[in-house]
Amino acid sequence: DVKVTQSSRYLVKRTGEKVFLECVQDMDHENMFWYRQDPGLGLRLIYFSYDVKMKEKGDIPEGYSVSREKKERFSLILESASTNQTSMYLCASSRGGLVYGYTFGSGTRLTVV
Amino acid sequence: GENVEQHPSTLSVQEGDSAVIKCTYSDSASNYFPWYKQELGKRPQLIIDIRSNVGEKKDQRIAVTLNKTAKHFSLHITETQPEDSAVYFCAATNAGKSTFGDGTTLTVKP
Repeated sequence: DVKVTQSSRYLVKRTGEKVFLECVQDMDHENMFWYRQDPGLGLRLIYFSYDVKMKEKGDIPEGYSVSREKKERFSLILESASTNQTSMYLCASSRGGLVYGYTFGSGTRLTVV
Repeated sequence: GENVEQHPSTLSVQEGDSAVIKCTYSDSASNYFPWYKQELGKRPQLIIDIRSNVGEKKDQRIAVTLNKTAKHFSLHITETQPEDSAVYFCAATNAGKSTFGDGTTLTVKP
């Protein structure tokens, strides 16, 4: 029944490392999103994509990039991890169009040391 | 961009009481307002939503209301049960992209 899968539940990386977070959905959704969740700050949008090879910056894109080579896969890349990127990262997908809710992945808790 | 404010940040009720969570948004172009429930250690899950052409929607013990003129919307949970304890997030959506409130931690005491 799992529809949005994030490759890692927990990840520990060193400062300066390049980090890849993977997200795969099996619902043939057009839209995919990456959010980070921090206590008291809710969910903040990093990047999103409405189609293959398409990407748009969200509210906090600095220090991140994304890749969407296939419809079902949306990758978040931390070019050079820093301690302030320690967070819970949530991937989500939704049907194309303007008025559909998200299906979230289980999240990846990333710790940068 | 869109800004969503959510109140209260914490809410504690007795089992059987009602709970109300309120959100305001800033962008009049937002046209879809989902609510998500996140239990401890789990992913957020969509529990109810409302579109901008509707004023109220009900699903068993939960209901949402939307006032487009005032730019606010609310979640109402009646006859609360311990399993309703969770963090609830509201969101305002424009062009398929959602901006979330900071969340409300609801505790239902048996």
